[in-house]
Amino acid sequence: AQTVTQSQPEMSVQEAETVTLSCTYDTSESDYYLFWYKQPPSRQMILVIRQEAYKQQNATENRFSVNFQKAAKSFSLKISDSQLGDAAMYFCAYRVNNAGNMLTFGGGTRLMVKP
Amino acid sequence: DTGVSQNPRHKITKRGQNVTFRCDPISEHNRLYWYRQTLGQGPEFLTYFQNEAQLEKSRLLSDRFSAERPKGSFSTLEIQRTEQGDSAMYLCASSLALMREQYFGPGTRLTVT
Repeated sequence: AQTVTQSQPEMSVQEAETVTLSCTYDTSESDYYLFWYKQPPSRQMILVIRQEAYKQQNATENRFSVNFQKAAKSFSLKISDSQLGDAAMYFCAYRVNNAGNMLTFGGGTRLMVKP
Repeated sequence: DTGVSQNPRHKITKRGQNVTFRCDPISEHNRLYWYRQTLGQGPEFLTYFQNEAQLEKSRLLSDRFSAERPKGSFSTLEIQRTEQGDSAMYLCASSLALMREQYFGPGTRLTVT
């Protein structure tokens, strides 16, 4: 069974600073995708960034980037120039590229941004 | 494109009652997923549909749970004889078959007293 582990229940960052959220996963599959989703308080989950396992280049979306280490099964999210609006729960998620495509989520990391 | 919508947003019910939630996916999205999220945890997969066919169900989906997507558009999730352990946020997501990501609705928060 696939599992996703986020070892940091809570993280705190000063506004304008950089923070890295950790995620590891366990799978025997070779064709899969990894995602980071953001869930603000009382608001719906939105996609932050995704990474295809076959791509060696790390994905980047504006202030958000990932460090994908396939051999280590590690997928961390770096948020640069943190903003107050970045405060939220962040979930790492994984899915195999097959017919089902259901997501397996980690337990989440609560990110607090200090002004 | 108005996004995925879910109704009701909140539901409080007494143990033993039946409840039904509705999800309206993004139009033309042929895949629809249900997840359950308990407090402080990540969402867990329950079931998914491609068009009107329910193609997979998690072992979390006990016999008291039933989901339908009769015309391949909106979906309903019914919980019969609710238990306190059913208290959770029920999330719906949709996608096109070839899309990598899923788009989530705001969820229905169920409280069983």
